[in-house]
Amino acid sequence: QSVLTQPPSASGTPGQRVTISCSEGSSNIASTSVSWYQQLPGAAPKLLICNNHQRPSGVPDRFSGSKSGTSASLAISGLRSEDEADYYCAAWDYSMLAWVFGGGTKLTVL
Amino acid sequence: QLSESGGGLVQPGGSLRLSCVASGFNFGNYAMSWVRQAPGKGLDWVSGISGGGTQTYYADSVKGRFTISRDDSKSTLYLQMNNVRAGDAAVYYCARHNVYTANWPDPWGQGTLVTVSS
Repeated sequence: QSVLTQPPSASGTPGQRVTISCSEGSSNIASTSVSWYQQLPGAAPKLLICNNHQRPSGVPDRFSGSKSGTSASLAISGLRSEDEADYYCAAWDYSMLAWVFGGGTKLTVL
Repeated sequence: QLSESGGGLVQPGGSLRLSCVASGFNFGNYAMSWVRQAPGKGLDWVSGISGGGTQTYYADSVKGRFTISRDDSKSTLYLQMNNVRAGDAAVYYCARHNVYTANWPDPWGQGTLVTVSS
């Protein structure tokens, strides 16, 4: 079974740079692209990053994604209070033919 | 834009059909998925369907109980939920893929709440 592992929590102060990791526990998805989503309280998830590092139109360049081997990362620079949200990584498992989501990381802006 | 409906209270073992009406894009050209989120929990992909509906995909947890379908003439996605269990209680979101099911789901609807209780 595919697993995407994220730290349950992360924190930073305004202006800081924070990084959230996403580790892939199965070779089934190691070669696929990772997407990242932001979910504000009470809202639907919003796409931040697709194809490991691409930002959709409208997403600030403070958000960046990367992938190396079986690990992906989301970096947020110039942290703002409005960045306080839950963040999820996701990938398509070509073997199981299913989407897999990480458990989510709750980001707190101190 | 995506708008879900059909959520509500269902008894364990009961059935419910969720709908998701799409607007603003050529619905038939895009794969779609249902993703759920139990209260206070993370995102859990439920099912996906290809553009045109020729291929369907399911999470193991719902195989044999849930059926995804679409009516492209009505720009509507469905999720038929049968033999519902307590663990199926969640907000159910529909989401559009970037053409193919293997591509990222975005945008998402606002969700519809399914409550399971006797």
